[in-house]
Amino acid sequence: GQSLEQPSEVTAVEGAIVQINCTYQTSGFYGLSWYQQHDGGAPTFLSYNALDGLEETGRFSSFLSRSDSYGYLLLQELQMKDSASYFCAVRGGNAGNMLTFGGGTRLMVKP
Amino acid sequence: KAGVTQTPRYLIKTRGQQVTLSCSPISGHRSVSWYQQTPGQGLQFLFEYFSETQRNKGNFPGRFSGRQFSNSRSEMNVSTLELGDSALYLCASSFSLQGASGANVLTFGAGSRLTVL
Repeated sequence: GQSLEQPSEVTAVEGAIVQINCTYQTSGFYGLSWYQQHDGGAPTFLSYNALDGLEETGRFSSFLSRSDSYGYLLLQELQMKDSASYFCAVRGGNAGNMLTFGGGTRLMVKP
Repeated sequence: KAGVTQTPRYLIKTRGQQVTLSCSPISGHRSVSWYQQTPGQGLQFLFEYFSETQRNKGNFPGRFSGRQFSNSRSEMNVSTLELGDSALYLCASSFSLQGASGANVLTFGAGSRLTVL
């Protein structure tokens, strides 16, 4: 099976940088994704890493280390609108390869 | 183009009843997945449909079922509702099966919030 661990809550101030970590266990691995979900909203895709290294998309970056079964989402120049829950998700090698999501990290950005 | 549409958005049922939720995927998307989201369990995979066939199923009892129509629209049904079925049910569509190569980005609908009394 697959399991993912991420912190339940992170607090940061506007303009700061925050890193949300995700460690995973999976019988196979095809990639790590990140999704953002605002309260009352739908999860939206942020990024995907299939290979080791850093992927940058504007203020957001995502990193993957397959040897460490670890990844993180880096949010720079935090804005109040970044307050949301962030989910890592892994596609593994079990039957179907469906996405398995972590429990989510609630990010609170304070002024 | 229009996003993923889920209906109804909110509904209240009582224990023992059954419920049907509907999902219209993005035009051209052939894969529809369903997830249950609760504060305690997070996002849990229910099932995935592709070309009218159930391709994958999560660890849920047989009371949870679904189907997909030829136009890729999908429905899920929960019979004999229990209090623990209260949750946000999310539908997501993608162009290909989740097991396909690449990022396989899921586009989620806003969800159907089910309350069981």
